[in-house]
Amino acid sequence: AQTVTQSQPEMSVQEAETVTLSCTYDTSESDYYLFWYKQPPSRQMILVIRQEAYKQQNATENRFSVNFQKAAKSFSLKISDSQLGDAAMYFCALQGGSEKLVFGKGTKLTVNP
Amino acid sequence: DARVTQTPRHKVTEMGQEVTMRCQPILGHNTVFWYRQTMMQGLELLAYFRNRAPLDDSGMPKDRFSAEMPDATLATLKIQPSEPRDSAVYFCASDGQGPWNEQFFGPGTRLTVL
Repeated sequence: AQTVTQSQPEMSVQEAETVTLSCTYDTSESDYYLFWYKQPPSRQMILVIRQEAYKQQNATENRFSVNFQKAAKSFSLKISDSQLGDAAMYFCALQGGSEKLVFGKGTKLTVNP
Repeated sequence: DARVTQTPRHKVTEMGQEVTMRCQPILGHNTVFWYRQTMMQGLELLAYFRNRAPLDDSGMPKDRFSAEMPDATLATLKIQPSEPRDSAVYFCASDGQGPWNEQFFGPGTRLTVL
């Protein structure tokens, strides 16, 4: 079975500061994808960033970057220069062996002005 | 711009009633997913289809839930009879280019069963 664990139910950060959200996973697949989704109060699920397991280079999307440690099965999300609009639930997800996404329980991020 | 649409956005019903949720995937997308989100269980996959054929519905309670794709532009999720424990947000998502690509999520249907 594939699992995704987000150990931080809640995190907070000051506007313009940097925050890192943690995610660990388990899978027996050799080829898989990892994702971070953002869910603001509107409930809309928005893809933030994606990482292919076979790529060693960490993915980046503007202020969002990941630290992918394949051997440790760790996939953390770093948000730089945090903005008020970054406040949301963040979900880590794993896709391997099929198209199904397995989600973590989420981390609620608060951005303080 | 292309997006997944879901109707209704909100539904309040009484226990025992039938509930039907609808999803229109992005045109050209051939894989459709149904997820359920609750506070206790988080986001769980209920079922998914490719080219309108069900591939996996192992996450769905079979006795009361059913999922279909009458045509390529419509996916439905039915609950009959509904129970209070079915209260959740139900998301539809689609992707169109084979395995391991981005899933585009609809806005969800918030279901409340009294």
